[in-house]
Amino acid sequence: QVHFLQSGAEVKKPGASVKLSCKASGYNFNNYIVHWVRQAPGQSLEWMGRINPGNGDTVYSQKFQGRVTITRDTSANTVYMELSSLRSEDTSVYYCARVQKPLVFGAPLDFWGQGTMVIVSS
Amino acid sequence: DIVMTQSPDSLAVSLGERATLNCKSSQSVLSSFDNKNRLAWYQQKPRQPPKLLIYWASTRESGVPDRFSGSGSGTDFTLTISSLQPEDVALYYCQQYSGTPWTFGQGTKVEIK
Repeated sequence: QVHFLQSGAEVKKPGASVKLSCKASGYNFNNYIVHWVRQAPGQSLEWMGRINPGNGDTVYSQKFQGRVTITRDTSANTVYMELSSLRSEDTSVYYCARVQKPLVFGAPLDFWGQGTMVIVSS
Repeated sequence: DIVMTQSPDSLAVSLGERATLNCKSSQSVLSSFDNKNRLAWYQQKPRQPPKLLIYWASTRESGVPDRFSGSGSGTDFTLTISSLQPEDVALYYCQQYSGTPWTFGQGTKVEIK
């Protein structure tokens, strides 16, 4: 069955970077776009960007352009999300999630990781 | 960016009664390519990731109880829970996947009256 295993919680100082991982299993990793979505405490969901694991193509939210990098390791069925120049407002749970249909950009997110808590504090 | 606005912010409904949640997008999410609305509804319970309930505005995800239904087109959408059950207490988010960046509504909290 489809499953995502995300890396553990992180505590970072302002200005630092964090790199989160999301290991996929149970499906053909190369065929499904993976997205990153974050959720600040008590807030709604915020889309950050996506990657096509098949060719590495990425699209980022303008809000995070220049600060976020999404990559993948196809040999490990793992997607990574690195966020730099962290500030307190980046304190959130970060989720990876898969689109529902293979080789399709415009489809909803049907499987989500359990989330990784990132706390940014001095 | 397409702004998604949900109403109400919270809703208290008696068990077995109907709950109606609304979602409005700042521009149409109806694709002229395939005539489908790129609108999804998710349910989120505390300390859990969102769960996909409805996509294409009205298609129920596999395994979702049929008391959940979605309707609407263009810019106005509704999620209806026909007979509220205790396990339906949660936050509900609408999301558009029509244009980048994908955007979510602020959420509607459903509680038992």
